[in-house]
Amino acid sequence: DAGVIQSPRHEVTEMGQEVTLRCKPISGHDYLFWYRQTMMRGLELLIYFNNNVPIDDSGMPEDRFSAKMPNASFSTLKIQPSEPRDSAVYFCASRRAGVPYNEQFFGPGTRLTVL
Amino acid sequence: TQLLEQSPQFLSIQEGENLTVYCNSSSVFSSLQWYRQEPGEGPVLLVTVVTGGEVKKLKRLTFQFGDARKDSSLHITAAQPGDTGLYLCAGSFMNRDDKIIFGKGTRLHILP
Repeated sequence: DAGVIQSPRHEVTEMGQEVTLRCKPISGHDYLFWYRQTMMRGLELLIYFNNNVPIDDSGMPEDRFSAKMPNASFSTLKIQPSEPRDSAVYFCASRRAGVPYNEQFFGPGTRLTVL
Repeated sequence: TQLLEQSPQFLSIQEGENLTVYCNSSSVFSSLQWYRQEPGEGPVLLVTVVTGGEVKKLKRLTFQFGDARKDSSLHITAAQPGDTGLYLCAGSFMNRDDKIIFGKGTRLHILP
């Protein structure tokens, strides 16, 4: 079975440009999570969805960040306009509802560099 | 404010030695998980502990949940180079168990 798929794996862009990160969760999983990881702040939850509906976006840093989940097999995280401080590794994770204790399956991440 | 404090932040030891890393909080968790992350990859779940005082073993790794469910430890016996990685603890809160909060991790390097 395929795991969580993220694309692109690496993205280098210039300040002010729009960046779109993509995620395909594991088939049958009901929850999808977007995280950001930096050395300074560790792994931070940005937003998560249940059955394609955003449940908690309190971790989204600014209005420049937005996330959508148009269907059960696809989600995007968009940054517009991007800034150098957005440079980080962005992870998508998914899990099945009803599975005890919240086991999440992570994708390989997208390493974003904003120049 | 970091809800889950992990220590040490970095640890470099020789192959064959034993080590313990810690995950501490002032908050009570309904469950606590340990993940390992290797370079260029996402975290992978190692274990979940749910009962105060619980001890779980995974080969050479021993995980313990504190009696008050506020802290946890990971002990590795006879560390091997394959144990190298970032170890993250993550907790779920009572009545909000649909999301988890991560510590910053302990970066472990086992020297051959």
